[in-house]
Amino acid sequence: KAGVTQTPRYLIKTRGQQVTLSCSPISGHRSVSWYQQTPGQGLQFLFEYFSETQRNKGNFPGRFSGRQFSNSRSEMNVSTLELGDSALYLCASSSVGGLGNTIYFGEGSWLTVV
Amino acid sequence: DAKTTQPNSMESNEEEPVHLPCNHSTISGTDYIHWYRQLPSQGPEYVIHGLTSNVNNRMASLAIAEDRKSSTLILHRATLRDAAVYYCILRGPQGGSEKLVFGKGTKLTVNP
Repeated sequence: KAGVTQTPRYLIKTRGQQVTLSCSPISGHRSVSWYQQTPGQGLQFLFEYFSETQRNKGNFPGRFSGRQFSNSRSEMNVSTLELGDSALYLCASSSVGGLGNTIYFGEGSWLTVV
Repeated sequence: DAKTTQPNSMESNEEEPVHLPCNHSTISGTDYIHWYRQLPSQGPEYVIHGLTSNVNNRMASLAIAEDRKSSTLILHRATLRDAAVYYCILRGPQGGSEKLVFGKGTKLTVNP
């Protein structure tokens, strides 16, 4: 069974640009969440999508957005990039089986903003 | 979100047991206790979870205090591959069941 796949693994962008990151969840998983990890703030929840609808959102500015497609694949977009957006962006998927289910993470996309 | 408190770092020797503590004094009756770990340059991975009773799986054991205000993750024989940051997380219906709230975790160093 393939794990959570994220692309690209590494990318460098310039301040002011925008970036789109992609996530393919484990087959059959309908919930996809995104997290940002930085040395200063640690792992922070961005948002969660289920059946193409955003179900939960973290405390991030509107420059951070996402979407989910009918096949459960998800993308997140960051517009008007700032230096502080440099981080590891992690995607996670789950089958939504209750509070005891397992959430699986991808290896992440490393974003550097210069 | 209910909070957890963990030591910043711990050290162990290879082949020895490791007990990683977690305090969660504000846990509610519906909160599950989950443990994840993150190896260097990788995404977090699930380790174990429990609600009230102690739990065992192939990776670790989870000991939950009777009042549920604390728990301990037990690695029975630490290996070098167990060097990681370990996160103790409470998952409850408030705030979204699929949302994980990570603290700073415990960085475990395993000495050969």
